[in-house]
Amino acid sequence: DGGITQSPKYLFRKEGQNVTLSCEQNLNHDAMYWYRQDPGQGLRLIYYSQIVNDFQKGDIAEGYSVSREKKESFPLTVTSAQKNPTAFYLCASSIDSWGLRRTYEQYFGPGTRLTVT
Amino acid sequence: ELKVEQNPLFLSMQEGKNYTIYCNYSTTSDRLYWYRQDPGKSLESLFVLLSNGAVKQEGRLMASLDTKARLSTLHITAAVHDLSATYFCAVVLGGSEKLVFGKGTKLTVNP
Repeated sequence: DGGITQSPKYLFRKEGQNVTLSCEQNLNHDAMYWYRQDPGQGLRLIYYSQIVNDFQKGDIAEGYSVSREKKESFPLTVTSAQKNPTAFYLCASSIDSWGLRRTYEQYFGPGTRLTVT
Repeated sequence: ELKVEQNPLFLSMQEGKNYTIYCNYSTTSDRLYWYRQDPGKSLESLFVLLSNGAVKQEGRLMASLDTKARLSTLHITAAVHDLSATYFCAVVLGGSEKLVFGKGTKLTVNP
């Protein structure tokens, strides 16, 4: 079965702790993304990566960090510098034709709901 | 800065009725997506619209794109309860790989 997996589904942490959210895809997609969703809101882009060992900040990157050491994996670390980390986090991936510099449809994982108290 | 506005944000309708959700965006883009989200779940892709005048239909949903007006519509025909969900439009920021999402339209279809 091809798809995107995120783990864990629910995560609880104390304020001041760093936490890492996992995102894995076996779709052989080049590009991967992290979004944050707050209640009643749309998705906001945190980071994205079009190729291994390269990534770019999105609109709300402060307090977050990522790595892309393997094509299929794009973990997100929520650091203690993120002032309001409680949210629903969604990972996505898409085919990215590097030569054409065009991104195709993004497919989303099931999400991780992070609660920080 | 690309802004994407959906309206209405909340829509309550009766089964069997028709309605349209609107998605306006502020700068040129060549690609627009519609997604569905059920409560507590991830996003499911509904439509990809790639050119001016594009129209796609799936069941009771039909999406269209007018790039000159920077407007997309999602039309619901003869609504049924199973269509109750939140619908998002998302637009590709020109010259980048970034998607900008609207705030979503929460649709409730009442029997």
